[in-house]
Amino acid sequence: DGGITQSPKYLFRKEGQNVTLSCEQNLNHDAMYWYRQDPGQGLRLIYYSQIVNDFQKGDIAEGYSVSREKKESFPLTVTSAQKNPTAFYLCASSRALRGYEAFFGQGTRLTVV
Amino acid sequence: GIQVEQSPPDLILQEGANSTLRCNFSDSVNNLQWFHQNPWGQLINLFYIPSGTKQNGRLSATTVATERYSLLYISSSQTTDSGVYFCAVDKENTGNQFYFGTGTSLTVIP
Repeated sequence: DGGITQSPKYLFRKEGQNVTLSCEQNLNHDAMYWYRQDPGQGLRLIYYSQIVNDFQKGDIAEGYSVSREKKESFPLTVTSAQKNPTAFYLCASSRALRGYEAFFGQGTRLTVV
Repeated sequence: GIQVEQSPPDLILQEGANSTLRCNFSDSVNNLQWFHQNPWGQLINLFYIPSGTKQNGRLSATTVATERYSLLYISSSQTTDSGVYFCAVDKENTGNQFYFGTGTSLTVIP
């Protein structure tokens, strides 16, 4: 089945550690996105990528980094510089940047312990 | 950016009732989507509807782009309809971003 797979589903991190969240899609989509959701809130854009080897900051990129070495993959690293990383992280993809339907993965719930 | 407002913020329905959820947005958009976030957090696509009307079973949606609003109708609600409903818009002439509203939390009681 075509879709977007995020792993792991749950992740615990000690303060001061970097962690990487995986996002893989087999929809042959060019554009991919990372969003953060806090309790009771909507989604906020962290980073997006229009094409391989290209990515742009969203509204809340500080403390995060990404790479796009393959079309199918868009991993997100939450660095120790992110002051409040506990949140629900959602990855999405669409055929292209604007004007196309976006599809989301199941999400990764990150907790700092 | 663009402001996306959803109403009502919370809604409690008896099973079998109908409801209308509203999404207002402050600027012209390329794209508007409605999502249902299930209790496990996954966002399920309901409608891709930058304009016009679409129906899918008990759900339908209408977007009036010139007046900058969209409506999601849920008829004969079921307990499985519970969750948070989001609309998201993709603004014209921007780099890229889906702007999400803060959602409508729906609880359907048996």
